[in-house]
Amino acid sequence: EVQLVESGGGLVQPGGSLRLSCAASGFTFSSYSMNWVRQAPGKGLEWVSYISSSSSTIYYADSVKGRFTISRDSAKNSLYLQMNSLRAEDTAVYYCAGPLGYCSSTSCSDYWGQGTLVTVSS
Amino acid sequence: EIVLTQSPATLSLSPGERATLSCRASQSVSSYLAWYQQKPGQAPRLLIYDASNRATGIPARFSGSGSGTDFTLTISSLEPEDFAVYYCLQRSNALTFGGGTKVEIK
Repeated sequence: EVQLVESGGGLVQPGGSLRLSCAASGFTFSSYSMNWVRQAPGKGLEWVSYISSSSSTIYYADSVKGRFTISRDSAKNSLYLQMNSLRAEDTAVYYCAGPLGYCSSTSCSDYWGQGTLVTVSS
Repeated sequence: EIVLTQSPATLSLSPGERATLSCRASQSVSSYLAWYQQKPGQAPRLLIYDASNRATGIPARFSGSGSGTDFTLTISSLEPEDFAVYYCLQRSNALTFGGGTKVEIK
């Protein structure tokens, strides 16, 4: 069974930092690109960041570029999101997700975690 | 950054009716457009990838069409479980989600 389990969310003051982790199991983590997606309370989905299977390609949404850093450790089957200079508008549930928007010729790897809440407030 | 605009924001329909949802991109995304469904308290679920291909296990009443900048998700006959929020996603240039369309019971 595929599992993505996020951790590291919580309450942080504006300007502060937080590191999210996502533990993956039930699939060959090293073979898949991964993403972070967030959803502010009562709002829509916002893609945050992408990392390829080899970490050679990384993308960020304009809203977090220069403040957030995505990384992965395939030896630990883990995905990370380092969030610095946090703002109130970063308050959201952060989802760890597998490949987004496509399927291979053999399967659709539509993998999502349950989300972790990050609240930025003084 | 490519912007995806979804319309309408809310669609009020009855079970058995046809739903037509639109997604327009600020520049061409070729066919790299997907559709997701999200129900309250749940993670999103992939419905359609590459504009018109149904994901594994998705019922045939869901169909997608379009290319370039204009895309449509059609639900041919709404079932009670289809009332949810639908998002489009482009993966042509990084990734972006649209703002969502809520399909609610009339």
